[in-house]
Amino acid sequence: EVQLVESGGGLVQPGGSLRLSCVGSGFTFSRISMNWVRQGPGKGLEVVASISSSGTYIYYADSVKGRFTISRDNAKNSLSLQMNSLRAEDTAVYFCARDVGATFYFDFWGQGTQVTVSS
Amino acid sequence: VLTQSPDFQSVTPKEKVTITCRASQSIGSSLHWYQQKPDQSPKLLIKDASQSFSGVPSRFSGSGSGTDFTLTINSLEPEDAATYYCHQSSSLPWTFGQGTKVEIK
Repeated sequence: EVQLVESGGGLVQPGGSLRLSCVGSGFTFSRISMNWVRQGPGKGLEVVASISSSGTYIYYADSVKGRFTISRDNAKNSLSLQMNSLRAEDTAVYFCARDVGATFYFDFWGQGTQVTVSS
Repeated sequence: VLTQSPDFQSVTPKEKVTITCRASQSIGSSLHWYQQKPDQSPKLLIKDASQSFSGVPSRFSGSGSGTDFTLTINSLEPEDAATYYCHQSSSLPWTFGQGTKVEIK
């Protein structure tokens, strides 16, 4: 059974940092591209960062470029998102999701972790 | 940009539901549909415009290509109350529609 479990969310002040983690199981993690998708309060979905299976290709949304860093450790089946210089508008539930196939749909998602940026 | 319509729909059980998603430029068939229930993560329903994902009930179907796409729920069940999102993966940035909330009357 495919499972994705996020952790690391919490309350942080504006300008602060947080590191999210996602551990995958039930599939060959090292062969799958991974993503972080967030959902602000009462809002829709936004892909914030993506990383290819080997880590060679990385994408960031303009809204987080220069502040967030996505990485992965295939030996530990782990995906991370280092978030620096956090802003109130980064407040959201952050999901990790894997994408498969040639057309990059998200077939499995984690349960999400809440990030709140507030003083 | 993906634009869904309607934003909200109130439907009686067993009724047919149609949700549309329009892309601002052609995206081929790189369009996918998700269902999200309150306090849950999204779940994939339809991939590549018309292919049902494993385990999804047959009452869910998708159609379309290019710029106009449709998600159809035949004979709505009470457990189908949720928000539905379309998602394009034709070109970066991958984007989602704003969502369509389906309520059961």
